[in-house]
Amino acid sequence: NAGVTQTPKFQVLKTGQSMTLQCAQDMNHEYMSWYRQDPGMGLRLIHYSVGAGITDQGEVPNGYNVSRSTTEDFPLRLLSAAPSQTSVYFCASSQRQGVYGYTFGSGTRLTVV
Amino acid sequence: QQQVKQSPQSLIVQKGGISIINCAYENTAFDYFPWYQQFPGKGPALLIAIRPDVSEKKEGRFTISFNKSAKQFSLHIMDSQPGDSATYFCAAINGANNLFFGTGTRLTVIP
Repeated sequence: NAGVTQTPKFQVLKTGQSMTLQCAQDMNHEYMSWYRQDPGMGLRLIHYSVGAGITDQGEVPNGYNVSRSTTEDFPLRLLSAAPSQTSVYFCASSQRQGVYGYTFGSGTRLTVV
Repeated sequence: QQQVKQSPQSLIVQKGGISIINCAYENTAFDYFPWYQQFPGKGPALLIAIRPDVSEKKEGRFTISFNKSAKQFSLHIMDSQPGDSATYFCAAINGANNLFFGTGTRLTVIP
């Protein structure tokens, strides 16, 4: 069981470039979400999905797009990277009710120069 | 606006001591309160969790105390060990299954 797999692990972008952070889970979890982690701010919810074809915004959605075409995959797109998007990004999944715990990926460290 | 407030930001404890981390929330729609442990370079991992209708939950050396009327909860780590050195996050889950984190506490346990 791989759990939640994120790629790439590290990425450097120039301002204005676009890219997609990949996230895949093999646990048949309905709920998936993206967080960014910044020093002193904890993890903040960017976007989430309660199932294939359904997505919604979290606390800090600006500058990011998501889609959920399958249960397994939940990619995060940066449309035009900005230095403020330098962060560590985590993807997570859970069964419908998070009481069973969220499973997090190992993260993608993104630097925008 | 931080939905879950956490303190202290950092904590240094001697081996064998008790580590205490405190959190507070305002949104009464939260219905589940987990704690996550994160080691450098890794994603957060669920440590222990509690429902608001329970005042205390203990798992091994880890105990959550919950005060619903004060909207506060805390994590106690008994007999702290160097291997417990990590960043700890309190969190809260709302009815939409969204997880909101505190700002984190970096715990260092000195041998």
